[in-house]
Parts: sequence; C-alpha cells; structure tokens
Amino acid sequence: AQSVTQPDIHITVSEGASLELRCNYSYGATPYLFWYVQSPGQGLQLLLKYFSGDTLVQGIKGFEAEFKRSQSSFNLRKPSVHWSDAAEYFCAVGRGGADGLTFGKGTHLIIQP
Amino acid sequence: DAGVIQSPRHEVTEMGQEVTLRCKPISGHNSLFWYRQTMMRGLELLIYFNNNVPIDDSGMPEDRFSAKMPNASFSTLKIQPSEPRDSAVYFCASSFSRGETGELFFGEGSRLTVL
Repeated sequence: AQSVTQPDIHITVSEGASLELRCNYSYGATPYLFWYVQSPGQGLQLLLKYFSGDTLVQGIKGFEAEFKRSQSSFNLRKPSVHWSDAAEYFCAVGRGGADGLTFGKGTHLIIQP
Repeated sequence: DAGVIQSPRHEVTEMGQEVTLRCKPISGHNSLFWYRQTMMRGLELLIYFNNNVPIDDSGMPEDRFSAKMPNASFSTLKIQPSEPRDSAVYFCASSFSRGETGELFFGEGSRLTVL
C-alpha cells in the first residue's frame, strides 16, 4: 500500500530564512510525487510535481524539491521564505490521473517576523 | 478558466438531517475525486469516478455516505442521516486521467458542521 510521511507537524521559520519540509513515501512502482499548499479556508494548490527526468524540480513561488529514490524522499525547499508562505503544506504520491493521490498529514508552516 | 466548483461552501445542520454536497469538475476532465479533511485523519480519499463510473468507494466510511455522478459535469456526495462525527471539510478534485502527470485540481471545499 502506498503511504506518505511528513514527520514535522509544525515548523517555525524566521522571515528571510531558508526552509526545508520533509517528505518520505512508500510506493510499489515509480512514483509521481507532488507538493500542494493550502492557505486557511482554501483548497489545495499545486506547488510542483515530479514524474520523470531531472530529480530537482522547480515550482511556483520560488519552491523546489528534490527526488531521492534511495531515500524514498521528496523534500521541499525554499532559499528565503516570505510571510505569505505561512500555510499548510502537503506531500502526495500516486499515479494521479485515474487513481487519485495519497496525501501526508501535512506540515503547518509558521513564519516569524 | 473556471476551476472545480463546490457548493455549498459552508453547511451547518443538525444530527439526523440529510446533507448534499455538490461538485462541478473542470470541463474536459474525466476523473473526479471526493476527499474528506479532518484534523485527526488529514486528507482521506472517499470515492473516485472515471468517466462517470464509480471505481473505488472503499474510503466511504459507512452506508450513510453515497456519491453519484450522473454526467461529466456534476457530482454529489450525500450523507443521510448526518452525525456530528461527519463534521469536516469535503473537497472535490478533478483530473484528466490520461494526462501526463495526473495532477489533481481541487475545489475550495465544503465545510460541514453537524450539531
């Protein structure tokens, strides 16, 4: 069965500091991997996705993520966070499309001024 | 372009009442998913459809829950009778099943409170 683990429930980062959110997955085949962001009262918005090719993928809002097959990880990074990045971040795995995605429990990002 | 549209955005009802949540997927998408989000369980896949046909409803919590997709542009999730533990945010998402990456597009959700 596929699963996603986001080990950090909450992370607090100072504005302007770098950020890394961790994601580990379990999947029986080559995974499609996604990061979504959810602002309060909103739906989920796709930040970036990996399905093949270069293991370092770039997304919107200055985010990037690196797929490491040997570690079953897909960590999200940003070199300098802004107060507007405060939100809930979800990692997801699956073939998407016709089968849907399995989501992690999410990481709540707090930005300190 | 219009995204996934859900209604109502907020619903407050009393235990025992019937609740119907509605979803209009993105035009051209042929897969539709219903998710439930709670603090305790996170995002759970309840049921999904391909080409209007239910494929997997193993995530539906019990017989009180039912979902239909009568055509490619409309789906409903019904809870009858509702219970306080059904209080959650219900998301609808759609995708194109033969798309390159299978990205899901989410609606803004329906927040259900059962008193």
